[in-house]
Parts: sequence; structure tokens; C-alpha cells
Amino acid sequence: QKEVEQNSGPLSVPEGAIASLNCTYSDRVSQSFFWYRQYSGKSPELIMSIYSNGDKEDGRFTAQLNKASQYVSLLIRDSQPSDSATYLCAVRREYSSASKIIFGSGTRLSIRP
Amino acid sequence: NAGVTQTPKFQVLKTGQSMTLQCAQDMNHNSMYWYRQDPGMGLRLIYYSASEGTTDKGEVPNGYNVSRLNKREFSLRLESAAPSQTSVYFCASSYRGNTEAFFGQGTRLTVV
Repeated sequence: QKEVEQNSGPLSVPEGAIASLNCTYSDRVSQSFFWYRQYSGKSPELIMSIYSNGDKEDGRFTAQLNKASQYVSLLIRDSQPSDSATYLCAVRREYSSASKIIFGSGTRLSIRP
Repeated sequence: NAGVTQTPKFQVLKTGQSMTLQCAQDMNHNSMYWYRQDPGMGLRLIYYSASEGTTDKGEVPNGYNVSRLNKREFSLRLESAAPSQTSVYFCASSYRGNTEAFFGQGTRLTVV
């Protein structure tokens, strides 16, 4: 079982609708959770981080975390063509001597006009 | 403010050749990471480092070595390149604690 799992997609959503992206993780002691966006040929860029259970909103983006279910999601409201990209879920775990950040395989999102 | 800088951006190697990918960050971050990205595979962690002189294996360390030369620099070495190591390599860095990683622009490596 991969440590971080995502549906690879592609997920196709009409412009103006809500896009819902999901992620599950296997390590219960994971402490920080991130969503990155990656355009083709570019580096990943952070769009949301979340550390405690519940919802966190930033503009059109809402991240949701449920540690009991080991589940993280990202909602994108009023989807725009510029939101078409691959979205990567990442999980960070701190150890006594180091920390590691593990990524899922990514979900390709396509916003159709 | 350059952030995370990787060199080179592109490289073609022949099977069996060796090379070192360089990474440097100017954000005073403690932790540094090397990932590889293959189509449909997301980012897979090769090695990571919490501080100068310390390194740990990630998900796919075989065929690679790393060196944390100082706080700024973290290099990835391929001793004998194989076609299976054809990939895009990303270096990243972060502070300690619950903080995100910042990425370099990537190195596209082809092994023929």
C-alpha cells in the first residue's frame, strides 16, 4: 500500500463548477498535509496547507482534513480553465532526527469551457 | 532571492556514465530532499537530509548516493546511470516543523 493515495484521474469538470480532489494516507502519525499544483513541465507549487481537523479556506480553495479517517481533500470553487493542472497531495511526518514529505501520484484536473 | 537552484536543467547520459546533480538553497532551510518524477507516478522521495552531514533513504534510494555538503547544498550522484533512471529530478527544501517544501526548477535526465 502506498503511503499517500490519490485517484489519478483525469477529472473533468465544467468551468464554474466545483472540483473535488481526494487523498488518503496510511501513516496515522502524519502531522502536516499539503496540496500542490503542478502545470506541465513546471515545478510543484504550494496552494494549501492544513494541520488540524476541519476545513481551511483560502479564496476559491478549501482544504479538509479528517485524521480519524486519514483523509484529506481539496475543493476548488468556481473552477477556471487556469485550474487545469495536476494536483499533488503531500504528507509530512516529523521524526526525532529528520522529517520526510511523501507525495501521492497526483490527480490530473481538466476544466472544460 | 533565488530560492532553490538546481543544475543542470537538462542532461543526456550514456548507460554506465556517472554524474552529480547539484542543488543549493538560500532560504536557510534545515531539511532538503531529492525526488524523482515519472509519468503517472507523482513525486517519489529518493533521499532526504535534516542537517549537514545527515542523510536518510526515502522510497526509491537504490542506484543513488547523496551528500549534504553544508546547510545550503545537497547533491545527488548517479554512479552508473541506467535507462530506468531517466526521469525528472526535483530538489526541495523546508524548515523544520510543520512547514511546506519549496522546489527547484527540476533536472530532466535522459539515460540512453
